[in-house]
Amino acid sequence: AQKVTQAQTEISVVEKEDVTLDCVYETRDTTYYLFWYKQPPSGELVFLIRRNSFDEQNEISGRYSWNFQKSTSSFNFTITASQVVDSAVYFCALSEAGAAGNKLTFGGGTRVLVKP
Amino acid sequence: DSGVTQTPKHLITATGQRVTLRCSPRSGDLSVYWYQQSLDQGLQFLIQYYNGEERAKGNILERFSAQQFPDLHSELNLSSLELGDSALYFCASSVAPQPGVQNIQYFGAGTRLSVL
Repeated sequence: AQKVTQAQTEISVVEKEDVTLDCVYETRDTTYYLFWYKQPPSGELVFLIRRNSFDEQNEISGRYSWNFQKSTSSFNFTITASQVVDSAVYFCALSEAGAAGNKLTFGGGTRVLVKP
Repeated sequence: DSGVTQTPKHLITATGQRVTLRCSPRSGDLSVYWYQQSLDQGLQFLIQYYNGEERAKGNILERFSAQQFPDLHSELNLSSLELGDSALYFCASSVAPQPGVQNIQYFGAGTRLSVL
């Protein structure tokens, strides 16, 4: 069964600090996808990034970067130079390519509070 | 704006009642997903439809049912409501499934259901 764990329930930082969110996953599939979603105070879920299990190249997109390590089953997400607008709950999610359907299994979320 | 429309935004009802939540997917998307977000269970997958057919089922209660219509909009029906059904219900949509690929799911703003 697939499982996603976000051990950090809440992180508080001051604006311009970097924030790294941890995500550890479990799956028996060799082909799977990992996602990060953001849920701002307004409540909607916003897609941020997607990564497949064959691509361990770490990338940077603007102020976002991610570190995917299959050896430790981790998919960490970093916000560089945080801003107040980054305050939200961030969810890591896993989807197994071999499963029937395309469901996302979410972690419990990490609440990020960026103070001015 | 994700392009996924959910109505109503808020719903207040009493125990034992039945409600219908509606979702219009993004233009061109054939898959629709329903998720429930509650304080105790987190974000959980309920059910997926693809082009009118049920594709995958999660931990959806027997009191809940869904369908996808020929125009691709979907409805989630919740009956015999209990206090514990109070939650934020999300609809998401994605393009047609491709073998071995997990497409990005774009989420609507959600319907907040309060059962009193």
